[in-house]
Amino acid sequence: SQQGEEDPQALSIQEGENATMNCSYKTSINNLQWYRQNSGRGLVHLILIRSNEREKHSGRLRVTLDTSKKSSSLLITASRAADTASYFCATDEDNQGGKLIFGQGTELSVKP
Amino acid sequence: KAGVTQTPRYLIKTRGQQVTLSCSPISGHRSVSWYQQTPGQGLQFLFEYFSETQRNKGNFPGRFSGRQFSNSRSEMNVSTLELGDSALYLCASRNPGLRAEAFFGQGTRLTVV
Repeated sequence: SQQGEEDPQALSIQEGENATMNCSYKTSINNLQWYRQNSGRGLVHLILIRSNEREKHSGRLRVTLDTSKKSSSLLITASRAADTASYFCATDEDNQGGKLIFGQGTELSVKP
Repeated sequence: KAGVTQTPRYLIKTRGQQVTLSCSPISGHRSVSWYQQTPGQGLQFLFEYFSETQRNKGNFPGRFSGRQFSNSRSEMNVSTLELGDSALYLCASRNPGLRAEAFFGQGTRLTVV
């Protein structure tokens, strides 16, 4: 099925550093959402950015969206060991009846 | 407000059996979607229900089916289980503003032996 691409696939950093993950998608979208998943558990919603927004902040998270390049980035500042998880972007595409298209995810490891 | 509740959390079934998974959405959410997550294929969309009607279906065989009840609770059923159906099944609910955040349950881990 159609899926976005995320890079990097894996990222290892030290506590206190910033982590940046990128997501690209293929078609026009209504919005893009970022999720976190710990060890095969449920997805935790982090942030939603609409197609007419360019940047959004939530605590230590900053998300950007460039619809002309069909890409988004998630920045986690001052990372903590507890941020260790997989991060997924999901696009809500036009006329897809609520269907989300997920990227393959970025596995983030934050070392104390 | 209670989150999305999926039951059971873990399930072990034998090839050829059938299984029913349940999802109770956040109160007031009328849209419920189901996803399958496997290491090889990632997160794949199964289907979405809104007001008891299936609005969209992913590319899965007919062995995968679902339904939604008048209280928005949803069930998905997999018949004639295959080893490849082993996966984490996730349910998501959305509020009445359909292009809004989708919130996920903890998932049901299905193992087919």
